[in-house]
Amino acid sequence: AQSVTQPDIHITVSEGASLELRCNYSYGATPYLFWYVQSPGQGLQLLLKYFSGDTLVQGIKGFEAEFKRSQSSFNLRKPSVHWSDAAEYFCAVTPINNAGNMLTFGGGTRLMVKP
Amino acid sequence: GAVVSQHPSWVICKSGTSVKIECRSLDFQATTMFWYRQFPKQSLMLMATSNEGSKATYEQGVEKDKFLINHASLTLSTLTVTSAHPEDSSFYICSAPDRGVTEAFFGQGTRLTVV
Repeated sequence: AQSVTQPDIHITVSEGASLELRCNYSYGATPYLFWYVQSPGQGLQLLLKYFSGDTLVQGIKGFEAEFKRSQSSFNLRKPSVHWSDAAEYFCAVTPINNAGNMLTFGGGTRLMVKP
Repeated sequence: GAVVSQHPSWVICKSGTSVKIECRSLDFQATTMFWYRQFPKQSLMLMATSNEGSKATYEQGVEKDKFLINHASLTLSTLTVTSAHPEDSSFYICSAPDRGVTEAFFGQGTRLTVV
């Protein structure tokens, strides 16, 4: 069965510092990969997605993610964190022939930003 | 981008009553919608797949008689929590894929509190 692991439950960074959120997946084949952000009490906003091609994907709000097939990873990065980035971040996968449909989510990483 | 609207955003109900949550795709048609549940500080778990014109498909462990799903039109799916109990208190989120667009769009979520 497919699974998504986000090893870090909480991460605290200082404003202006760089950020990397880890995501590893377990699946029979390379799935479609997504990163979502959720502010408290809110729905999910898509940050970026990877289907194929260039393994470095650019998203909104200055985020990027790199797909590494050999490591089954899809880590999210941002060079300089802003206080408004404090939120919950979810990595998710969906089968390659089922894009946009049911998602399997990681446990989430809560990002806190220190002033 | 495509918009999915969920209503209500929050609801408080008494134990034993039923609550209906609506999920609408505003500018596209969705033959399939998905319902997720998120307990505090946890990830999203797929509850069921809502299929227009046919019965919903429930994930293992989800009681279909308790969580009634109706997908009566191509733009509306409803989730009714019947005989709600405090343990049903959770954040419920729906999503819908836009055909031809390889991602799912999420509603804002509904915070259900059963007292």
